[in-house]
Amino acid sequence: VLLVESGGDLVQPGGSLTLSCVASGFTFTSYFMTWVRLAPGKGLEWVASVNRDGSEAYYVDSVRGRFTISRDNSKNSLYLQMNSLRADDTAVYYCARGDCCGSGELDNWGQGVLVTVSS
Amino acid sequence: DVVMTQSPLSLPVALGQPASMSCRSSQGLVFSNGITYLNWFQQRPGQSPRRLIYKVSNRDSGVPDRFSGSGSGTNFTLKISRVEAEDVGVYYCMQGTHWPPYTFGQGTKLEIK
Repeated sequence: VLLVESGGDLVQPGGSLTLSCVASGFTFTSYFMTWVRLAPGKGLEWVASVNRDGSEAYYVDSVRGRFTISRDNSKNSLYLQMNSLRADDTAVYYCARGDCCGSGELDNWGQGVLVTVSS
Repeated sequence: DVVMTQSPLSLPVALGQPASMSCRSSQGLVFSNGITYLNWFQQRPGQSPRRLIYKVSNRDSGVPDRFSGSGSGTNFTLKISRVEAEDVGVYYCMQGTHWPPYTFGQGTKLEIK
């Protein structure tokens, strides 16, 4: 199992960014996928999850309406579109593999990608 | 939302000594299927999180047997029978029963005394 994130960058407040996560070594369509972040000096925070076919998405309250999680099963890829970015979105973002059904069984994680929101 | 409370937040332990950390949830974590979706993760300095334990007490592949998880209802424990230098890092519990959202504890930072 390999999860490789990309797309992290320095962005100004109010800006946008899209993170990608390419998966390999497993049947991508069999698993929920999730984004989790680690802000400086803070603990892990669940950000968003998407079900196996991409038809259902779930978000933490602080990003709902600003972030969009999606997946392209033909490309074994997971995405996080982030709009209206704020300073408190600064964090390392990890993609993680869930299970078939959304029970939070995050058994494999990517290496993480840094998003910095600052002017 | 379910609040996960870990203690202690800092845990200094001498090499070779046991370590124990607690995780309490604001409500019971038994799902309707009878399974308790409580996980423990380890995050070593500069590394990604790694799951150690799932469903309260099941060790992931490759996790040394000095790690063990236990508990039920709202009280859960992660124990390390003999701490080694490579165990330094932050340990998080996370519930997957009542979601969204999945919720993590604040983390317990294990350091060598």
